[in-house]
Amino acid sequence: SQQGEEDPQALSIQEGENATMNCSYKTSINNLQWYRQNSGRGLVHLILIRSNEREKHSGRLRVTLDTSKKSSSLLITASRAADTASYFCATVAIYNQGGKLIFGQGTELSVKP
Amino acid sequence: GAVVSQHPSWVICKSGTSVKIECRSLDFQATTMFWYRQFPKQSLMLMATSNEGSKATYEQGVEKDKFLINHASLTLSTLTVTSAHPEDSSFYICSARDSRRATDTQYFGPGTRLTVL
Repeated sequence: SQQGEEDPQALSIQEGENATMNCSYKTSINNLQWYRQNSGRGLVHLILIRSNEREKHSGRLRVTLDTSKKSSSLLITASRAADTASYFCATVAIYNQGGKLIFGQGTELSVKP
Repeated sequence: GAVVSQHPSWVICKSGTSVKIECRSLDFQATTMFWYRQFPKQSLMLMATSNEGSKATYEQGVEKDKFLINHASLTLSTLTVTSAHPEDSSFYICSARDSRRATDTQYFGPGTRLTVL
């Protein structure tokens, strides 16, 4: 079942600009993860942030988590054409039901050269 | 490391036939694998959790007799779509968790595109 919502659904920017995607979820979580999916391909894990963390960085990626608002954001700085993909947030519930992920609806990012 | 493969990458079949999709963890052991389906422009929907040596756990609304899952070894899970119909056409993706690592990170296969005529 899908529990998360992401906005925007689609985002188009120029190379070099920053891209921000937001994710909201409904239940208490153990952790939240962000994945990237290139068209017609599998998913690539980007970053995991635990419920007791507020911010995490990995290269050009910055993720924030606000458990009081049940929301997270993914910031990609200095975007490149190769960042064009769909981005999904996914949560693991606090009771860790076998570690299964519940995915958000995704944001389709287009970075124009 | 942490590579997951799927086979086949695409398949076209006639209505009424059964199709088997394999998911393999190539360089790690996975006691738990997951099967998802994804329709165009949509998110992933979890179908079932596959546990090595035991029965799969299906999500609500997923017919277990329609989608047979077998996780016979620590590196292989299979999904069989039985008596496939056009509405079963979709992108099927598997993922696996590394049993040796205390992490919820899942490693995804490249997906299998199923088209039922």
